[in-house]
This record gives sequence, C-alpha cells and structure tokens, in this order.
Amino acid sequence: DAGVIQSPRHEVTEMGQEVTLRCKPISGHNSLFWYRQTMMRGLELLIYFNNNVPIDDSGMPEDRFSAKMPNASFSTLKIQPSEPRDSAVYFCASSESAGLYEQYFGPGTRLTVT
Amino acid sequence: AQKVTQAQTEISVVEKEDVTLDCVYETRDTTYYLFWYKQPPSGELVFLIRRNSFDEQNEISGRYSWNFQKSTSSFNFTITASQVVDSAVYFCALISYGGSQGNLIFGKGTKLSVKP
Repeated sequence: DAGVIQSPRHEVTEMGQEVTLRCKPISGHNSLFWYRQTMMRGLELLIYFNNNVPIDDSGMPEDRFSAKMPNASFSTLKIQPSEPRDSAVYFCASSESAGLYEQYFGPGTRLTVT
Repeated sequence: AQKVTQAQTEISVVEKEDVTLDCVYETRDTTYYLFWYKQPPSGELVFLIRRNSFDEQNEISGRYSWNFQKSTSSFNFTITASQVVDSAVYFCALISYGGSQGNLIFGKGTKLSVKP
C-alpha cells in the first residue's frame, strides 16, 4: 500500500509568489495533518483535519497560510504571498484516527523562498 | 502544559556499541500516548513505536527496546549493537488527552551518529 504522497518534493520560489503544497493521505485514514519543520522551531503542527473537516488550525502562522481538504484523498496547503521566513520542510501525515493512532508521514516538501 | 524533553542533542558512538536515547515528558492527563520516530538523512519521518499510558511493559523489537517508566515520566529508547544505518535524528513525541487530541508534541530530537 502506498504511503502518504506529497508534491512537489522541492519548491523554490520568489518572495510574494503563491505556493501550493499537495498531499494524498493513506487510503482509509480519517485524519490528516500538516507540519512544518525548521532548525529553529523543530516540528510544529500547523493544522489537522478529521473526516475532511479542519479541527485545529491554531498552529497556522498567519492569514497567509490556508489549508483545504476537499475530499478524503487530497489536501492542499497554500501560502500567499510567500516570504523568506516560510522556508522550511513541510510534512503531511495521516492516521486512522487523530489522537489514538500513530501518524504516518509523507516525504516532505522542501520549500525555499528567495 | 504538555512537553517533551530530549536532553541529548547529539550522540556519537562506534558501531556495535549500545546507545540509549532519553525522553522525558510532561502532562497532567492520565491518558496519553508516547511515540518514537526516526528521521534518517533522507528526511522522511519513520514511525517506530506507540505506547499508551496504561501499558508500562517494556518492548523489544530486534535491536530496539523501549523502557517506559511513569514514575519518572520517561520513555527511553535503546539501540543494541548499533549500526551505521541507525544514524538519524530520533524524535520522542506525546499525544495527551485534555488538549487537542491531534496535537502530537515533539521533542527537539537527538541526532545519533554511528561511526564504523
């Protein structure tokens, strides 16, 4: 069975541009999570969905960040406009049920904003 | 407040040595789950183990073993006879009921380098 799929794997963009990160969770998993990893702050939860509904977006840094999950097999994280401080690795993860089961992570998207 | 502390930032060992990675957690909740993840140089996060707060039995999986002690709020990870392929950053994490149930709280990680 395929794991969590993320695209693109690498993204380099200029400040001010819109960036869209994509995620396909493991089939059958009800919960999806977006994390950001930086050297300074480590791994941070940005937002998570349960049954396609956003449950906790308290980790989203500011209004420039938005996330959607239009169906059980697809989610996007959008940054508009992007800034250099958004440079990080963004991970998507999924689990059978938030809070109860382990989360399985995708390979991550390394975002560089110049 | 919930918190995970991995006091060891970096550890370096020689192949075949045993190594223990420490993890101390804080939570006021009686129901919680603890996890270990491995992040090799390739960057992906690999799930290793999940343990719930009511199960203090130690667990062994091949060269890996985990020691969960509620009395000291610790969930330590030991690699026996380490190998170069064990070189990675290891994260301890906590999900605690009472807060947001989806919020996996990670420690800062311990970077393990195993030299041949």
